Amino acid sequence: NAGVMQNPRHLVRRRGQEARLRCSPMKGHSHVYWYRQLPEEGLKFMVYLQKENIIDESGMPKERFSAEFPKEGPSILRIQQVVRGDSAAYFCASSPPVGNEQFFGPGTRLTVL
Amino acid sequence: KQEVTQIPAALSVPEGENLVLNCSFTDSAIYNLQWFRQDPGKGLTSLLLIQSSQREQTSGRLNASLDKSSGRSTLYIAASQPGDSATYLCAVRKDAGNMLTFGGGTRLMVKP
Repeated sequence: NAGVMQNPRHLVRRRGQEARLRCSPMKGHSHVYWYRQLPEEGLKFMVYLQKENIIDESGMPKERFSAEFPKEGPSILRIQQVVRGDSAAYFCASSPPVGNEQFFGPGTRLTVL
Repeated sequence: KQEVTQIPAALSVPEGENLVLNCSFTDSAIYNLQWFRQDPGKGLTSLLLIQSSQREQTSGRLNASLDKSSGRSTLYIAASQPGDSATYLCAVRKDAGNMLTFGGGTRLMVKP
């Protein structure tokens, strides 16, 4: 059973471009969480999704950021018109429908030039 | 709003020492607490999960305790090894299906 997969592992974008980060949860997991770790800061929750639904997006910036978890395929975190302050490690975690533990992916490190 | 604090922020010990990492949280109404390990530039590895009804969990040389009423958890590492060097994070969860709130982490260095 493969773990949580994220790609790309490293992403470089210029200011104003779009960044798309993908997360494939563990098999059988239908809950996905996105977290952001800014340089020298702790992990902060961004958004919680179940298949085709956003459950809690209270940690996600209101502008430029969006997330989806379609019926088929990975969860996508999309950042439009990236700025230097978006440079961070973005982690995805998944958990089963009935369960407690969140399992984390290796992260995507976004660098905005 | 839940706040999670970890003390110390950094710790350096010689190999073989037993050590304790501390985690405190402001809202005792938690569902569970998880301890993670993060190596530089890497993802998070779950070490131990303690449900709110439990007092402790053990895995190998690691033991985590939870005192929900006082808002505290400790991670005890026995006979530390250089391979234990990493950042240790604690995180609490308010409800099932809810997000994790993380502490700032303790950077541990175990010197040979």
